[in-house]
Amino acid sequence: SQKIEQNSEALNIQEGKTATLTCNYTNYSPAYLQWYRQDPGRGPVFLLLIRENEKEKRKERLKVTFDTTLKQSLFHITASQPADSATYLCAPGGSTLGRLYFGRGTQLTVWP
Amino acid sequence: EAGVVQSPRYKIIEKKQPVAFWCNPISGHNTLYWYLQNLGQGPELLIRYENEEAVDDSQLPKDRFSAERLKGVDSTLKIQPAELGDSAVYLCASSPGLAGGFRDTQYFGPGTRLTVL
Repeated sequence: SQKIEQNSEALNIQEGKTATLTCNYTNYSPAYLQWYRQDPGRGPVFLLLIRENEKEKRKERLKVTFDTTLKQSLFHITASQPADSATYLCAPGGSTLGRLYFGRGTQLTVWP
Repeated sequence: EAGVVQSPRYKIIEKKQPVAFWCNPISGHNTLYWYLQNLGQGPELLIRYENEEAVDDSQLPKDRFSAERLKGVDSTLKIQPAELGDSAVYLCASSPGLAGGFRDTQYFGPGTRLTVL
């Protein structure tokens, strides 16, 4: 069965630094991978999607890479701010159209 | 544009009681999902609808869970009878499907937090 691992349950960094979150998957060949942000008491919010034929995708301070050989995606937040504090979920998808498999998430805390 | 609406936001019941959750997706979204999220875990798919048809319900415990999406818009998820292990957040999401946008980008509601005593 598919297995998705996100690097750690919690990541604490100082404001202004770059946060790097890791998502590894096994027993799976997704056609794309999505990243979502989830705040306490709220549903996940879509951030970025990267397809298997794309190496890198950027959106403002966010950058995602996708290495299908390593079966890994990296999610970067540059110039991090306290408002970036949340849980970030990776979700590979596409082998069964419409179904996403979510990792357990990494809780990011950015302190001033 | 209004987001995905869910009600109730919170529900506390005793075990063996029935419970129902309601979801109104974003207007025009053909695909609707119900997820279960346990504390510290990612969402797990229970069922996916394309319009009014359930196309992926392999993870739905059909002995006690049921769902419907009449007329292909609103949806209801029911548990009867509820067990202690059903305590979790139940999330509804929708995606554009044929209406536009990359069909698998999902828009989530705020969820219903269920506590079974």
